[in-house]
Amino acid sequence: GENVEQHPSTLSVQEGDSAVIKCTYSDSASNYFPWYKQELGKRPQLIIDIRSNVGEKKDQRIAVTLNKTAKHFSLHITETQPEDSAVYFCAASIQGGSYIPTFGRGTSLIVHP
Amino acid sequence: GAGVSQSPSNKVTEKGKDVELRCDPISGHTALYWYRQSLGQGLEFLIYFQGNSAPDKSGLPSDRFSAERTGGSVSTLTIQRTQQEDSAVYLCASSPGLGEQFFGPGTRLTVL
Repeated sequence: GENVEQHPSTLSVQEGDSAVIKCTYSDSASNYFPWYKQELGKRPQLIIDIRSNVGEKKDQRIAVTLNKTAKHFSLHITETQPEDSAVYFCAASIQGGSYIPTFGRGTSLIVHP
Repeated sequence: GAGVSQSPSNKVTEKGKDVELRCDPISGHTALYWYRQSLGQGLEFLIYFQGNSAPDKSGLPSDRFSAERTGGSVSTLTIQRTQQEDSAVYLCASSPGLGEQFFGPGTRLTVL
């Protein structure tokens, strides 16, 4: 089955710095890669996703890049703000296949004011 | 519009008791997932329903866990003879089937 590794487990940055979270996956058939943000005590919410026919996607301060050959994808947050502090989860799934995502173990991002 | 709802929000039970957790998905969403999230951990897949197809139960950790989805809408996750290691937040998510999952607020289960 699919295996998703996520690094780092904890990331501490100063407000205004950039943050990068990386994930690798094992199943080359995976074609959908979402990122979820979970604030403390809240439910996970989708912040950005990318499909395998695209190499990069951007939405304001966040971007995701995908390298299908290397089987890794990354979340980039620029100009971080304290409200970006949360746990971020990556996931990989096969749309048109099992549709069951495999999640990474999460990255706790702390943005210091 | 209404999002995914779950009840109860908190459940405290004694070891050995059975519990039922409820999930009301977003209307029209054909896919429904149950996950378990232990403190500080990731999302552990439990079971997946898609339309009228047989559910994918490959993530259920033991035969004490079961789930059903009635009429393609509401789902109930049942844990029989609860153990302390079952303590976690149980999250439900629904999806229109094309990617994004919409999560409920979760049920925090504590087994004493």
